[in-house]
Amino acid sequence: TQLLEQSPQFLSIQEGENLTVYCNSSSVFSSLQWYRQEPGEGPVLLVTVVTGGEVKKLKRLTFQFGDARKDSSLHITAAQTGDTGLYLCAGTPSFYNQGGKLIFGQGTELSVKP
Amino acid sequence: SAVISQKPSRDICQRGTSLTIQCQVDSQVTMMFWYRQQPGQSLTLIATANQGSEATYESGFVIDKFPISRPNLTFSTLTVSNMSPEDSSIYLCSVSDRDSGNTIYFGEGSWLTVV
Repeated sequence: TQLLEQSPQFLSIQEGENLTVYCNSSSVFSSLQWYRQEPGEGPVLLVTVVTGGEVKKLKRLTFQFGDARKDSSLHITAAQTGDTGLYLCAGTPSFYNQGGKLIFGQGTELSVKP
Repeated sequence: SAVISQKPSRDICQRGTSLTIQCQVDSQVTMMFWYRQQPGQSLTLIATANQGSEATYESGFVIDKFPISRPNLTFSTLTVSNMSPEDSSIYLCSVSDRDSGNTIYFGEGSWLTVV
């Protein structure tokens, strides 16, 4: 059973469209992070959310942490071809007694076509 | 932010052999971890590398298969022992440091193909 359920796993859209990726769990997380990974590279941190209900914006990307800290979403407005990549949500469950350990969602492979 | 260097970045290995991956950080960090990313999959935590003591392994991973060293606060190694094709993966080192608010950084990974 996946502790962090990420959806959709694959997404193919046209440039200019909007999209949302979801990350859900039945467990509470101390923090949740979103990463982007390109082929041949390690994951690059986009954002960390720690407070229930928190919303963070990074240019065209909007990240939200659920009020109960069990879910998160990533919304991209007016997608560009450069947004293509693997998006990963990852979090530290509250029941972990050690910071820094992450549980990852399955990932969303995003393809933005011109 | 921490800069993480992993070696090798890529290797092709023979079945039954072992390979040691190195992770070097440009600053002292509190926590170091090793993850595995199998082809087309997400990341799975292998173990926490503890400085001066045995690593803490996650369920499904054992020391005999993945021995880990961490002699100081900037360096760690992961050995993949007695490799089989199922071990073909990207192995990633990550670090976390209290001084940077527990932000977690990843190396670029070591791509291993076992033939």
